[in-house]
Amino acid sequence: GQNIDQPTEMTATEGAIVQINCTYQTSGFNGLFWYQQHAGEAPTFLSYNVLDGLEEKGRFSSFLSRSKGYSYLLLKELQMKDSASYLCAVEGRNRDDKIIFGKGTRLHILP
Amino acid sequence: GAGVSQSPSNKVTEKGKDVELRCDPISGHTALYWYRQSLGQGLEFLIYFQGNSAPDKSGLPSDRFSAERTGGSVSTLTIQRTQQEDSAVYLCASSPKFVAGVREQYFGPGTRLTVT
Repeated sequence: GQNIDQPTEMTATEGAIVQINCTYQTSGFNGLFWYQQHAGEAPTFLSYNVLDGLEEKGRFSSFLSRSKGYSYLLLKELQMKDSASYLCAVEGRNRDDKIIFGKGTRLHILP
Repeated sequence: GAGVSQSPSNKVTEKGKDVELRCDPISGHTALYWYRQSLGQGLEFLIYFQGNSAPDKSGLPSDRFSAERTGGSVSTLTIQRTQQEDSAVYLCASSPKFVAGVREQYFGPGTRLTVT
């Protein structure tokens, strides 16, 4: 089976840094995605990690530890438009396997 | 280029009626996914196609739900004898089989289904 856990909600201040954690237990693992979803909109792709370590892309970075079944998404210099849900998703062992999403973390940015 | 499209965008139906939801994936994308999202909740996996075959139907909530994909392109999700708990946004996503080490999903705008 597959289980993906992330906090339900987080609050942070504009200009600050926030880290959203994701832990997973899966029968097989190939890679991990992070998606952003604004209210009423479809999810959009942020990052994909296959190897251990940190992947940086502008204000957003994503980290993966395969041995610990752990990932985080780091958002720097927070802006009001970053208020959204952030979804962690795991890709199964084979490249033909499905991608399973966590329930998402709703991030609120305060001015 | 065109993204993933879904129709209808909104559907209101009476309890007990059948509904069909359509997804047009990005041309050339071999993988197609259906998810369901209730208000304020995460994405619930329903079914996944690789080409025209569905390797994994484990997420379909009941035998009232079925899906098919023809010609490796368009997919239809059918819900028979709809119930109020079927009310949700139904999202479709497609992805290429394997592109440059990343297989991101491209989501459609969703179909908001309301069962009264």
